Amino acid sequence: GQNIDQPTEMTATEGAIVQINCTYQTSGFNGLFWYQQHAGEAPTFLSYNVLDGLEEKGRFSSFLSRSKGYSYLLLKELQMKDSASYLCAVSRLGFQKLVFGTGTRLLVSP
Amino acid sequence: GAVVSQHPSRVICKSGTSVKIECRSLDFQATTMFWYRQFPKQSLMLMATSNEGSKATYEQGVEKDKFLINHASLTLSTLTVTSAHPEDSSFYICSARLRGQGLETQYFGPGTRLLVL
Repeated sequence: GQNIDQPTEMTATEGAIVQINCTYQTSGFNGLFWYQQHAGEAPTFLSYNVLDGLEEKGRFSSFLSRSKGYSYLLLKELQMKDSASYLCAVSRLGFQKLVFGTGTRLLVSP
Repeated sequence: GAVVSQHPSRVICKSGTSVKIECRSLDFQATTMFWYRQFPKQSLMLMATSNEGSKATYEQGVEKDKFLINHASLTLSTLTVTSAHPEDSSFYICSARLRGQGLETQYFGPGTRLLVL
């Protein structure tokens, strides 16, 4: 089976940095995705990691360690609009679909 | 970027009726479309994978006779919730994958909120 875990909720202050972790256990791991989802809206793609290491994209960075089954999404210079749910999702070799984690609701306060 | 639309965005129906939700890729061809369901404060759960011109592949626990999926063209897939009941009330989201591309090119529709009374 598969197991993808994220913290349920996190809070942070505007301008700060927050790290959202995702751990996974799955056979045939291929890659890991991060999505942002505002309440009542569809998810929007943030990042895709296949190889170990950090990928930076503006204020958002994503890290992957395949050996540890671990990823994190790093959000810098937090803004109020970053309040949303952040979903990690795993793809597996030979399967044309994503399995989503439980999601982390991030609340950014002034 | 690629655009995926869903119609309707919101629907309220009586228990026992059927509801059809459309998912369209507006500016690209999608050989594969995915249907997800999301209950409040929960993550996305894949219901089925729909390939153009062939039968959909349903996830374990999803009743194929209750959730009918048709993917008749490269730009349209439909999900019909038959004999809907209050427990089917949820947020239904489709996504479409660009022809010949990987999952990183999966684009999500805006979702359809279904309320069954």
